[in-house]
Amino acid sequence: GNSVTQMEGPVTLSEEAFLTINCTYTATGYPSLFWYVQYPGEGLQLLLKATKADDKGSNKGFEATYRKETTSFHLEKGSVQVSDSAVYFCALSEGYSTLTFGKGTMLLVSP
Amino acid sequence: ETGVTQSPTHLIKTRGQQVTLRCSSQSGHNTVSWYQQALGQGPQFIFQYYREEENGRGNFPPRFSGLQFPNYSSELNVNALELDDSALYLCASSTAGQSPTNEKLFFGSGTQLSVL
Repeated sequence: GNSVTQMEGPVTLSEEAFLTINCTYTATGYPSLFWYVQYPGEGLQLLLKATKADDKGSNKGFEATYRKETTSFHLEKGSVQVSDSAVYFCALSEGYSTLTFGKGTMLLVSP
Repeated sequence: ETGVTQSPTHLIKTRGQQVTLRCSSQSGHNTVSWYQQALGQGPQFIFQYYREEENGRGNFPPRFSGLQFPNYSSELNVNALELDDSALYLCASSTAGQSPTNEKLFFGSGTQLSVL
């Protein structure tokens, strides 16, 4: 079956530091890959996505590249802000509206 | 603001009881999915409804059931509650027919269910 593994948190960084959150996946076919963000007390919001190998998703300074050879979709940001503090979920989809999520990685950014 | 609203926001029940959670989809969306998010875990797919019919189900027992209404609002019903059912329940609406390339799910803020 499908699965997503992401690095455990919390990840604690100072403002303007470089961020990497690792994500690897297992899938039977050719999934689309997503990063979702969950701010405290809120639902999930799509951060970025990639639908085929070597695609790069990007949004709000975050980037992730779909690497089929390593089955990975690592999230990166060059300079984090306090407002980026949230829980980040890597996910995959092989069908309409059905997502398989990782366990989430909490990011804490201090001033 | 995603346009997806869930009620109630918090709920406390005791073991063995039944619960109904509600979701109002974003306007124009005809597909709703429900997810269970246990503490410290990622959301897990429960089931999906499209045009009032169940259209896919995850690894959840039959005591988890749902309904979708003609106005595309939705309910999640859980019978015979167990302690492990304590979780955040999320609904997400979308428009079926779009390919995953263009697909976007809109999540509600969830209902936090505590089973004592």
